[in-house]
Amino acid sequence: AQSVTQPDIHITVSEGASLELRCNYSYGATPYLFWYVQSPGQGLQLLLKYFSGDTLVQGIKGFEAEFKRSQSSFNLRKPSVHWSDAAEYFCAANFGNEKLTFGTGTRLTIIP
Amino acid sequence: DTAVSQTPKYLVTQMGNDKSIKCEQNLGHDTMYWYKQDSKKFLKIMFSYNNKELIINETVPNRFSPKSPDKAHLNLHINSLELGDSAVYFCASSQVGGIREQYFGPGTRLTVT
Repeated sequence: AQSVTQPDIHITVSEGASLELRCNYSYGATPYLFWYVQSPGQGLQLLLKYFSGDTLVQGIKGFEAEFKRSQSSFNLRKPSVHWSDAAEYFCAANFGNEKLTFGTGTRLTIIP
Repeated sequence: DTAVSQTPKYLVTQMGNDKSIKCEQNLGHDTMYWYKQDSKKFLKIMFSYNNKELIINETVPNRFSPKSPDKAHLNLHINSLELGDSAVYFCASSQVGGIREQYFGPGTRLTVT
């Protein structure tokens, strides 16, 4: 079945530390892949996207993600987090059926 | 200008009532969507319209009826509201073709008492 998995429900990192949020998908081909961020009480903002080409994609707010076909993964990274990065992060995939399938989200907490 | 807008932002109503949520996008996109986010933050597609035509209906109770008067608007009408309908409802839009990234509205928090 087509699915998106975010194994980490909650991650806490110190301000200035590096961050990696994990995302795996289950599909027989490469889907369109996305990362969204949802700040408290807000809508979802697109951070970055991938379909083909360079497997390291750059997004907004200093985020990047790396696609690894062998691991069916699309992990989100940031070299140095800021307190304003505290939010819920969603990985999503379009499996060619015109809708987004979301992971369950990872809540990011930043400690000073 | 807000790309995808929704009204109202908050909606509190009693069980059994009928309510509507409106969505408008000014991105010139052909496809619009409704998603439901439950209390655990899980997001699930409800409906999708392409150029006013329904293309996705994900086993949503028929108390929920989407209406698309034109490709820039997609409204959601809910009849006989139930406690379980309490959630945040997000509208989104995308362009046909290409990578089809979706742009989301700010959400409507519906509370049914």
